[in-house]
Amino acid sequence: NAGVTQTPKFQVLKTGQSMTLQCAQDMNHNSMYWYRQDPGMGLRLIYYSASEGTTDKGEVPNGYNVSRLNKREFSLRLESAAPSQTSVYFCASKSITEAFFGQGTRLTVV
Amino acid sequence: GNSVTQMEGPVTLSEEAFLTINCTYTATGYPSLFWYVQYPGEGLQLLLKATKADDKGSNKGFEATYRKETTSFHLEKGSVQVSDSAVYFCALRAMDSSYKLIFGSGTRLLVRP
Repeated sequence: NAGVTQTPKFQVLKTGQSMTLQCAQDMNHNSMYWYRQDPGMGLRLIYYSASEGTTDKGEVPNGYNVSRLNKREFSLRLESAAPSQTSVYFCASKSITEAFFGQGTRLTVV
Repeated sequence: GNSVTQMEGPVTLSEEAFLTINCTYTATGYPSLFWYVQYPGEGLQLLLKATKADDKGSNKGFEATYRKETTSFHLEKGSVQVSDSAVYFCALRAMDSSYKLIFGSGTRLLVRP
């Protein structure tokens, strides 16, 4: 009963490097989300995907891209990492009634 | 637009004290309301929810009542335990076609023995 699985759990990048955060869910949910969590700011929505094949911008999409590869997987890509992207990233998938979150990826950009 | 406002933390209580964490919202229509809890080093977990006015969500001794007249969804617990130490997030589900979850900034609770 894995739920939502995110990889990696921790990552350190140099400014300008790129990387992809992976997320997969095994609950057959249509909707998937990427949030970032920063101290004192709660969770802010980066991108979301209401269904396979669709993606939309959230509150803070600049500097990120996403891919909804199939119904299970929703990846987040940083093309050129910046120190302002240091954060904890959470992936979530949502049923009609409830959202389920992954364990998070702690990303540091130096 | 949709937004959620929570009381700032941290909230520090002694074990067995009464807890209230305030949450108010602004939304179009009648959103569903949620409380999520985040334990150290973990992701968010749904604690309770309410989908319409006057509904009371409850779980693990926590309660919150959907108050449409005051646009509030305050979290309460009669007797907190050390194990309740966590960050609590109030959230609403947008009633537009996106059905996005909008979160408050979170309130850290620290319960001391």
